[in-house]
Amino acid sequence: DTGVSQDPRHKITKRGQNVTFRCDPISEHNRLYWYRQTLGQGPEFLTYFQNEAQLEKSRLLSDRFSAERPKGSFSTLEIQRTEQGDSAMYLCASSFSPGRGTVYYEQYFGPGTRLTVT
Amino acid sequence: AQSVTQLDSHVSVSEGTPVLLRCNYSSSYSPSLFWYVQHPNKGLQLLLKYTSAATLVKGINGFEAEFKKSETSFHLTKPSAHMSDAAEYFCVVRGFGNEKLTFGTGTRLTIIP
Repeated sequence: DTGVSQDPRHKITKRGQNVTFRCDPISEHNRLYWYRQTLGQGPEFLTYFQNEAQLEKSRLLSDRFSAERPKGSFSTLEIQRTEQGDSAMYLCASSFSPGRGTVYYEQYFGPGTRLTVT
Repeated sequence: AQSVTQLDSHVSVSEGTPVLLRCNYSSSYSPSLFWYVQHPNKGLQLLLKYTSAATLVKGINGFEAEFKKSETSFHLTKPSAHMSDAAEYFCVVRGFGNEKLTFGTGTRLTIIP
């Protein structure tokens, strides 16, 4: 399968614990995005990378959240001191773009990681 | 800032009848608009996109959407519903020169046999 993959698919954790999710984008895709989707809502943008550089962060990304893409390939999203409000589906997407501009290059989404904080 | 409003949270149609999913947008610039579909336990998939070319956009699986600037709408239609169309549909806007996609709250489409 050459699509976007995410690991784990499901994570149950207790409040106050740290969790880390991994996203493997489509090979050769230089852009990687993280979104969060809560029940009954559409996905909300969190952050995105071009290669290893984190170019934009949403105000939703509090200090407890950190995302990395150290070698410009896979990415990790860590949540420290989880809260019940962090329970959501965390989606990763990737795309290829030769540079900044107005042309849209389709974002391909992974299946998501469902986080439940008890 | 840009946003989209999906006017129906749930739509039910009988198999073989037309589908209409409604979306209004708000954008300071000429928007790029999309429809994505989300099947249970599957990733979001792009159905179609409007990026200031033809106002009537054709997508996959027989879906199409028409961009109407005067009505700030981008409704999704399909002439004849199929059981496999049952899913959650999201209207999405991307601002000018902006990587961020802003999703609507979604419309759940149910197909009645």
